[in-house]
Amino acid sequence: AQSVAQPEDQVNVAEGNPLTVKCTYSVSGNPYLFWYVQYPNRGLQFLLKYITGDNLVKGSYGFEAEFNKSQTSFHLKKPSALVSDSALYFCAVRDAGSARQLTFGSGTQLTVLP
Amino acid sequence: DTEVTQTPKHLVMGMTNKKSLKCEQHMGHRAMYWYKQKAKKPPELMFVYSYEKLSINESVPSRFSPECPNSSLLNLHLHALQPEDSALYLCASSNRRVGSTEAFFGQGTRLTVV
Repeated sequence: AQSVAQPEDQVNVAEGNPLTVKCTYSVSGNPYLFWYVQYPNRGLQFLLKYITGDNLVKGSYGFEAEFNKSQTSFHLKKPSALVSDSALYFCAVRDAGSARQLTFGSGTQLTVLP
Repeated sequence: DTEVTQTPKHLVMGMTNKKSLKCEQHMGHRAMYWYKQKAKKPPELMFVYSYEKLSINESVPSRFSPECPNSSLLNLHLHALQPEDSALYLCASSNRRVGSTEAFFGQGTRLTVV
């Protein structure tokens, strides 16, 4: 089985401050992990992924995420938030050894306050 | 070209109507997906096509009928829908090669059933 949890429905942060959006996962084998962002009335936009290799993954628009196997986490981070980062963020996981499709987390609404 | 194009962007249909949603990609991806998304919720997988063959049907009611005419096109035929089927319908595609497994999403069709 595979699952992913985003424990925070809403994250508020001031512009210019660092932001973190949390994600934990559960898979039987090795995980493929993804972050997607969704702006209002738009489709999901791929930000970054962890497949293998370096635990720190850098993605689009200055976002990065750190894969932590011992804590089964893949938190999304950005050193300095922008108002334009305000959106709905989804973490997703797939068990690399499984034919199953992506499992999405419940989503976290990020609001960056000016 | 990293785009997945969906038409129409908006659709209002009555419960006795027949309509179709269309999706097109020219990235050479051989896996294509239909998702249904309710407001502020994660996408729910409906169908997966792999090499133009239906590989996954997530117990979707028969009033939704997918079709994959060729490797670039994916359709979703709608008939006798219910108001609760109103949602954002997202098409996605992915490259099946290991290490390049993120999905690219279209902007969606906002469907309203009246």
